[in-house]
Amino acid sequence: EPEVTQTPSHQVTQMGQEVILRCVPISNHLYFYWYRQILGQKVEFLVSFYNNEISEKSEIFDDQFSVERPDGSNFTLKIRSTKLEDSAMYFCASSGDRGPNTEAFFGQGTRLTVV
Amino acid sequence: AQRVTQPEKLLSVFKGAPVELKCNYSYSGSPELFWYVQYSRQRLQLLLRHISRESIKGFTADLNKGETSFHLKKPFAQEEDSAMYYCALRPGGSYIPTFGRGTSLIVHP
Repeated sequence: EPEVTQTPSHQVTQMGQEVILRCVPISNHLYFYWYRQILGQKVEFLVSFYNNEISEKSEIFDDQFSVERPDGSNFTLKIRSTKLEDSAMYFCASSGDRGPNTEAFFGQGTRLTVV
Repeated sequence: AQRVTQPEKLLSVFKGAPVELKCNYSYSGSPELFWYVQYSRQRLQLLLRHISRESIKGFTADLNKGETSFHLKKPFAQEEDSAMYYCALRPGGSYIPTFGRGTSLIVHP
């Protein structure tokens, strides 16, 4: 069964450093998403991506965040200068279309720890 | 803006007991409602959606527009049901689900 794959599973970085979280969506999917979940809090939407551009983003997704689909298979989330409060579980998801029966498939997540 | 509320952070029951995980939403239009589940060390996955009116692993959920609720129910809980459960809402015309904070269900033997 096809899966969304995220690497690494755990990333530790120093405050102020740049990190890139990687995701390989399901191959025939067209819509891609990043969510994050701070420990003990809800899953929060960050950004959605379609047709090589951002289609929607939340207020969390400020200038320090960027997304890219560099090679047609990977979908990356870059955090330019990490802060302690960026520590969270980051989930990538993809879906085939946007219709009413669309299901978003999630990756296992990358746990980002900023120290 | 839409909102999903799951009032219980933790629900603890014994095997064989009925389970009801509460979900309330606020949205002015016609939403699509979902339940996602995350078992220990596994990915978030769709459990069921209101438009399918299906029963998955013995769980059902009915959309009550009058009470703006979409509670998840199971008559007899099993130990393997222990997991985090997230209620999610997708507004009409959008493809992005908004999640509640989740309820941790623990089923004791």
